[in-house]
Amino acid sequence: DVKVTQSSRYLVKRTGEKVFLECVQDMDHENMFWYRQDPGLGLRLIYFSYDVKMKEKGDIPEGYSVSREKKERFSLILESASTNQTSMYLCASSLIQGGIYEQYFGPGTRLTVT
Amino acid sequence: SQQGEEDPQALSIQEGENATMNCSYKTSINNLQWYRQNSGRGLVHLILIRSNEREKHSGRLRVTLDTSKKSSSLLITASRAADTASYFCATVSKTSYDKVIFGPGTSLSVIP
Repeated sequence: DVKVTQSSRYLVKRTGEKVFLECVQDMDHENMFWYRQDPGLGLRLIYFSYDVKMKEKGDIPEGYSVSREKKERFSLILESASTNQTSMYLCASSLIQGGIYEQYFGPGTRLTVT
Repeated sequence: SQQGEEDPQALSIQEGENATMNCSYKTSINNLQWYRQNSGRGLVHLILIRSNEREKHSGRLRVTLDTSKKSSSLLITASRAADTASYFCATVSKTSYDKVIFGPGTSLSVIP
């Protein structure tokens, strides 16, 4: 059974703190993604990675960085958390076979920055 | 900017009725996908339709794609209370395979 796990379901951090969100997939997928989801805005892509140590900016990368040291693990880092980064964060992975097809999502991390 | 736009934003129906959701997009696509999200959870892939396909079925789901109108529809037949969820369409660009864009979603409530 395919699985994408995220390190926390709920997280509360203070403004200015450094925040790490981790995502692990066990499907040997090349592609991994980080999205944030806000009401009325759907999912917005923050960063994605198509290979170890490779990363590409998505639509809203400002204030975030990522790390992919191993194929199965993709980390999202908020260098200095701000209240406007309060959101639901979703990680996903997929194969790449001439295009992106089915994405498998983790359960999400609801981050609150106070 | 958002590529996929679902319509309606919210839909409430009785159990047993059919539910239809629409998705419009702006640019050429490689494929279009539909996902379901139960409240507070991650998304689950439902069905994928390629740009050269017009219709696809999976159980009680039927997806159509009209590339000339840049639109797709998701039909759920004989709905159940367990179908209550948000439904999202996602488009994969024809020119940029790594570009997946999600719409804002349709919130479906199925009343028992």
